[in-house]
Amino acid sequence: DVKVTQSSRYLVKRTGEKVFLECVQDMDHENMFWYRQDPGLGLRLIYFSYDVKMKEKGDIPEGYSVSREKKERFSLILESASTNQTSMYLCASSLFAGESRRYFGPGTRLTVL
Amino acid sequence: KQEVTQIPAALSVPEGENLVLNCSFTDSAIYNLQWFRQDPGKGLTSLLLIQSSQREQTSGRLNASLDKSSGRSTLYIAASQPGDSATYLCAVSPIETGNQFYFGTGTSLTVIP
Repeated sequence: DVKVTQSSRYLVKRTGEKVFLECVQDMDHENMFWYRQDPGLGLRLIYFSYDVKMKEKGDIPEGYSVSREKKERFSLILESASTNQTSMYLCASSLFAGESRRYFGPGTRLTVL
Repeated sequence: KQEVTQIPAALSVPEGENLVLNCSFTDSAIYNLQWFRQDPGKGLTSLLLIQSSQREQTSGRLNASLDKSSGRSTLYIAASQPGDSATYLCAVSPIETGNQFYFGTGTSLTVIP
């Protein structure tokens, strides 16, 4: 069965801290994605990766960076966390680009104090 | 830019009723449309994927249809149960933008026992 896992379900950090969110998929998918979800704004794409070490910016990349050193793992990095980055973060993966079903992880609820 | 709208935003029905959720999108040049379910504070669970060449997909009590030319999709839930209570999201994968995936803002469904 398809599985996307995220390192933490809940995370509380302080302003200015460096934050790592990790996502792992076990389906040998080429594409991985990071979204954030906020009430009233829906899901917004932060970054995606279509291959190891390859990445592209989504709609809201400011304040974030990503790393994909291995095919199964995609990390989202908040270089200096701010309160406006408090959100639900969702990771997803798909085999190909547009044509494929997207699978999501359980989400990480990040609170920045 | 593709816009995806879901109506109604919220729906409350008695148990056992059949119901229809609506999704509309502005650009018919899509690879596919996917329906998801999201429980409070959780990730997205994929329900059904309809490729652009298909008219409908079925899984158990769920049936999703796609009319690409009119930019509409419906999710039909038969014999609703309290366990169906969740937010339902549709998302389209436009051909033009490849990895982008545009989500609707969701319909919050409550099934009353």
